Amino acid sequence: QKEVEQNSGPLSVPEGAIASLNCTYSDRGSQSFFWYRQYSGKSPELIMFIYSNGDKEDGRFTAQLNKASQYVSLLIRDSQPSDSATYLCAVNRMDSSYKLIFGSGTRLLVRP
Amino acid sequence: ETGVTQTPRHLVMGMTNKKSLKCEQHLGHNAMYWYKQSAKKPLELMFVYNFKEQTENNSVPSRFSPECPNSSHLFLHLHTLQPEDSALYLCASSPSGTSGVWATQYFGPGTRLLVL
Repeated sequence: QKEVEQNSGPLSVPEGAIASLNCTYSDRGSQSFFWYRQYSGKSPELIMFIYSNGDKEDGRFTAQLNKASQYVSLLIRDSQPSDSATYLCAVNRMDSSYKLIFGSGTRLLVRP
Repeated sequence: ETGVTQTPRHLVMGMTNKKSLKCEQHLGHNAMYWYKQSAKKPLELMFVYNFKEQTENNSVPSRFSPECPNSSHLFLHLHTLQPEDSALYLCASSPSGTSGVWATQYFGPGTRLLVL
């Protein structure tokens, strides 16, 4: 079992819809959870992080964390074609506080 | 643009060459990282430096040699590489801490390496 799992996609949504990206993790001791966006050929850029159960909103993005079920999700409201990218989930484990464990990413396609 | 810079942005080298990749961070962070990302593959952590000390070597072949002279600079020395080493090499830095903002990594733009 991978430490951080994501559906590779592609997830295809129409412009203006809500895109929902999911991530599960195996280590219950994980502390912080990060979402990065990576455009093709570019480096990952941080969208947001969350470390408390519940929702955290930042503009069109909402991260949701459920530690009991060991999943974290990212909702993108009013999806735009420019949101088309690969979304990486990363987890910070308690025993390796300065190292992130990355998932393989979910590719999102937003259709005009 | 992020506070992490990488040079060169593109590099083509033969298998017998020696080259170095450079990373510099202007964020006052204490941890720096090298990642490899091959086409259609996930990020692979190569090396971690925390307060200039190497804390992780993810079974990386010895033809890759990291160097961290201070908390702001990180190098990756390359020699006798193989074609399968062609990839995007990413540098990242973080404040170094237990969670949240302290563990957040910021990436440089990467060096696209092609080994012929």
